[in-house]
Order: sequence, then structure tokens, then C-alpha cells
Amino acid sequence: AQSVTQLDSHVSVSEGTPVLLRCNYSSSYSPSLFWYVQHPNKGLQLLLKYTSAATLVKGINGFEAEFKKSETSFHLTKPSAHMSDAAEYFCVVPGRGGYNKLIFGAGTRLAVHP
Amino acid sequence: EAGVTQFPSHSVIEKGQTVTLRCDPISGHDNLYWYRRVMGKEIKFLLHFVKESKQDESGMPNNRFLAERTGGTYSTLKVQPAELEDSGVYFCASSQDRGFGRGREQYFGPGTRLTVT
Repeated sequence: AQSVTQLDSHVSVSEGTPVLLRCNYSSSYSPSLFWYVQHPNKGLQLLLKYTSAATLVKGINGFEAEFKKSETSFHLTKPSAHMSDAAEYFCVVPGRGGYNKLIFGAGTRLAVHP
Repeated sequence: EAGVTQFPSHSVIEKGQTVTLRCDPISGHDNLYWYRRVMGKEIKFLLHFVKESKQDESGMPNNRFLAERTGGTYSTLKVQPAELEDSGVYFCASSQDRGFGRGREQYFGPGTRLTVT
């Protein structure tokens, strides 16, 4: 069965420093993978998605993620954090039988300090 | 274009009472999904509508939960009777098409926070 594990429940960075949010996946085949973000009192927003094309995926707001099959990882990075990046981030994989059922990781809450 | 809206944003009820959550998807989206996040755990799928039909309700926890989508527009999720373990955030999402490609992204609402005391 597909699953994702987010390795950190909380990450704290200073503004202007790099961001690394870690996600490992488990799948019997090469999956599609997504990152969603939820800002306070907002809906979940798709940040980026990997669908077996380029392994380095660029998303919105300067985020990117690299699919590494050998490490079963899909870590989210950003070179320089901004205060507005403070939010909760979710690594997501589609369930078996189609993409209608999304399977979420536990979430990583990112804090950005001045 | 209006996004997915959910009502109410918060609901506090006592154990044994009934609560109805509403979701209005993006206009023209045939696919509607319910998810929930209980007590800081993972967000979990509940069910999927295509228009007014239930395509997949494998995530519904028990028969105290009833989801409807009359007319294929808005959807309601009723919990009756509510139990303490039902507390959490209930998310609704919609998509234009099934699967995941252009036009198939699931757009999420802000959620309804349900507290059962």
C-alpha cells in the first residue's frame, strides 16, 4: 500500500535561510507525489507535483522537490525562507486504483523567524 | 472564481447531538471529496462523489456518518449521533475531472473544525 512519512513534525528556520522538509514514500511502484501547503485559516493548496517526468520539480513560491527513487524520498526545499512561508506542509501520494483518494503524511509545521 | 467553501467554520456540540457540515464545490466541478483530520493525525479520505453518486465511500468510519450530494452541487456530511472521537477538522475538496492531471487537481476548502464535548 502507498504511504508517506514526513520525518519532522516541526521545522524552525530564520528568514533568508534554506528550508528542507523531508518526506519518504513507500510504494510498490514509482508513484506520483505531491506537496500541499496549508496557511492558517486557508484551504490546502497544491505546491507542486511529481508525475514521473523530470525528477526535479519546481512549484509555486520558489519551492522545489526532488524525486529520488534510490532513497524513496521526495524532500521539499527552498533556498531562502520568507516569513510568508510559515504554514503546515503535507507530503501526499495518490491511493491505489486512481488518483481520487489522496493519502497524506502527518504534516510538517514550518516556523520562520525574523 | 470562488473557491471551495465550507460551512460552518467551527462547530461545538455535545456528545449525542447531530451536526451537519456543508460543502460548496467550485462551480462546474463534478467531483467532490470529503477528508478529515482527527486530533492532529493524518488527513484521511472519507468519500468521493461524482455528481450526485457516491464513487468511493471506503473511508467513512461508520454508519453514524451520512454524506449526500443532491443535485450534484453542494454536499452535506451529517454526523448522528456525534461521539467524542469525531472531533477534528473536516475538509472538502473538488475537482473538474477524476485522476490527477491538468484539470484534475483537487481544490480544498478551509475546513470545518468540529468539537464534540
